[in-house]
Amino acid sequence: QITLKESGPTLVKPTQTLTLTCTFSGFSLTTSGLGVGWIRQPPGKALEWLALIYWNDVQRYSPSLKSRLTITKDTSKNQVVLTMTNVDPVDTATYYCAHRVWNYDYFDYWGQGTLVTVSS
Amino acid sequence: DIQLTQSPSFLSASVGDRVTITCRASQGISSSLAWYQQKPGKAPKLLIYAASTLQSGVPSRFSGSGSGTEFTLTISSLQPEDFATYYCQQFNSFPLTFGGGTKVEI
Repeated sequence: QITLKESGPTLVKPTQTLTLTCTFSGFSLTTSGLGVGWIRQPPGKALEWLALIYWNDVQRYSPSLKSRLTITKDTSKNQVVLTMTNVDPVDTATYYCAHRVWNYDYFDYWGQGTLVTVSS
Repeated sequence: DIQLTQSPSFLSASVGDRVTITCRASQGISSSLAWYQQKPGKAPKLLIYAASTLQSGVPSRFSGSGSGTEFTLTISSLQPEDFATYYCQQFNSFPLTFGGGTKVEI
């Protein structure tokens, strides 16, 4: 079965770079049509899509955050990494990674999420 | 960007009630809409995709309809485990966007 799990720091200082890792199993990002996305949710607020990487290494980003985000994959480790530079307290959120459905940009399997707090 | 507006944002209902949630898109998205259910402290769960197709394992009391700019999620008979927040998401074009959510409470 498909599982995903996010890992990374729980506390980051403002202006620092946040690096989150999504480790997954049950599928391979070498399979045509698949992808992994990152979505975040500030406390008490709605979901916000951040980035998506496809099996063919194409990357898509939220325009409002594009200058600060980088998404990469390591197919040998079954991992996807999201890097966010110059974090701010408004980036405090639960960050989820999720499995993109074959050939469509919605998500059928999600990780449990990891809460990241940005504070000095 | 395509904006998704959900209504209502909050809904109070009882077990057994029929509940309808609306998601309006700022421009036409064909049937490229998914619905998710999220319970406190948990990840979202996919309920419906392509506007009206029930995800495997999801109870048949959930249904979706609509196309273009107006979509609905209906729960035919609300069960205790359905009290949660529901989100729509469009996948017609980038950036992917979510609605603001509808919280269903007792």
